[in-house]
Amino acid sequence: EAQVTQNPRYLITVTGKKLTVTCSQNMNHEYMSWYRQDPGLGLRQIYYSMNVEVTDKGDVPEGYKVSRKEKRNFPLILESPSPNQTSLYFCASSLYISPLLAGSHYNEQFFGPGTRLTVL
Amino acid sequence: QKEVEQNSGPLSVPEGAIASLNCTYSDRGSQSFFWYRQYSGKSPELIMSIYSNGDKEDGRFTAQLNKASQYVSLLIRDSQPSDSATYLCAVNPSGKGGTSYGKLTFGQGTILTVHP
Repeated sequence: EAQVTQNPRYLITVTGKKLTVTCSQNMNHEYMSWYRQDPGLGLRQIYYSMNVEVTDKGDVPEGYKVSRKEKRNFPLILESPSPNQTSLYFCASSLYISPLLAGSHYNEQFFGPGTRLTVL
Repeated sequence: QKEVEQNSGPLSVPEGAIASLNCTYSDRGSQSFFWYRQYSGKSPELIMSIYSNGDKEDGRFTAQLNKASQYVSLLIRDSQPSDSATYLCAVNPSGKGGTSYGKLTFGQGTILTVHP
């Protein structure tokens, strides 16, 4: 089954304790992204990756790190979590398809189930 | 000004009616546009994508794009209670060449309620 998996699904931690949220996809997609979703602010992109060893900042990268050492994995690292990073996090992946070749779903992003993080 | 703006709603329509969802964006060079649906407690899922001016239809859904007005909309015909969800508009903005493809900016979402 084609899917994006995230672990853990729920995490409660304390300020300053380093943590990693894993993301894996089995669709051989080049593109992967991390988002956070907060009430009233919607979905905001943290980082994205175009392929192995190629990453770029999204709209809210401060306080986060990412790495893309393998095509299927894109972990999100919080070196020193703070309470303002309490949020719902989504990982997503997509396959680049030229708009001339794609059908109705060009650059469809497949989202993982989400990770609810609480930083105390 | 926010990069992608949506009316947060809630928008309430009766079953069988047409629901009209709107979105405006600030980056005139934006490349492609998407509508996602998100049920409460679930992940977003893609409904429609559109990248050229005009209308694009897929079943009960029609996306409309007007790049001159920087406006994209989603029409849902014959609305059903199962359409009740938050609808997210997303835009791939212009940027630094090929790397901009991966960037995606979302609006806050519009809550739609379809009542029987």
